[in-house]
Amino acid sequence: EVQLVQSGAEMKKPGESLRISCKGSGYSFSYSYITWVRQMPGKGLEWMGTIDPNDSSSNYSPSFQGHVTFSADRSISTAFLQWSSLEASDTAMYYCAKHPTTAYPFDYWGQGTLVTVSS
Amino acid sequence: SYELTQPPSVSVSPGQTVSITCSGDELGDKHPCWYQQKPGQSPVLVIYEENKRPSGIPERFSGSNSGNTATLTISGTQAMDEADYYCQAWDSSTGVFGAGTKVTVL
Repeated sequence: EVQLVQSGAEMKKPGESLRISCKGSGYSFSYSYITWVRQMPGKGLEWMGTIDPNDSSSNYSPSFQGHVTFSADRSISTAFLQWSSLEASDTAMYYCAKHPTTAYPFDYWGQGTLVTVSS
Repeated sequence: SYELTQPPSVSVSPGQTVSITCSGDELGDKHPCWYQQKPGQSPVLVIYEENKRPSGIPERFSGSNSGNTATLTISGTQAMDEADYYCQAWDSSTGVFGAGTKVTVL
């Protein structure tokens, strides 16, 4: 069974750093891309960008470029989304989703990680 | 940047048919697909490659593409189909979501 299991909810203060994770199982992790999607409270889905776990090459949305970093560790079939300095506006649900490559649909999604940033 | 336009909301009576449109420049060339998201749940792929359904998606969900518009149709709508529906496409290597359409089953 294909699964993407994300790390648990986080509560952070502005300026703090954070890394959340997305662990894949039931498929060949290295041979599917991982896309990260943001959903702010009561709002729609936003494509943040995509990482190829095979070589960790990444493509970021201009809206998120420079504010977040994607990474992946093939040895533990896990992708990561990282912030070095959180802002209150980063408060959102974050989903990871897998797809064979660019231009393919997101066939499996993680359960989401809620990130709350508040002083 | 590339944009996809969806109506904010549609309503349908149980058992009736509802269609949701998604418009974008040359959308038919950009691999449009559709996701369903119910409150408190992760999105689920319902239509891809114009009119393909992943395993487990009921036959009442169908799709079509024509030039600049992709359409998701739910035939014989059921109460369980009440959800937000998002179209998504790829503009080169960049993913884009529409703003979503809330389907209300009255």
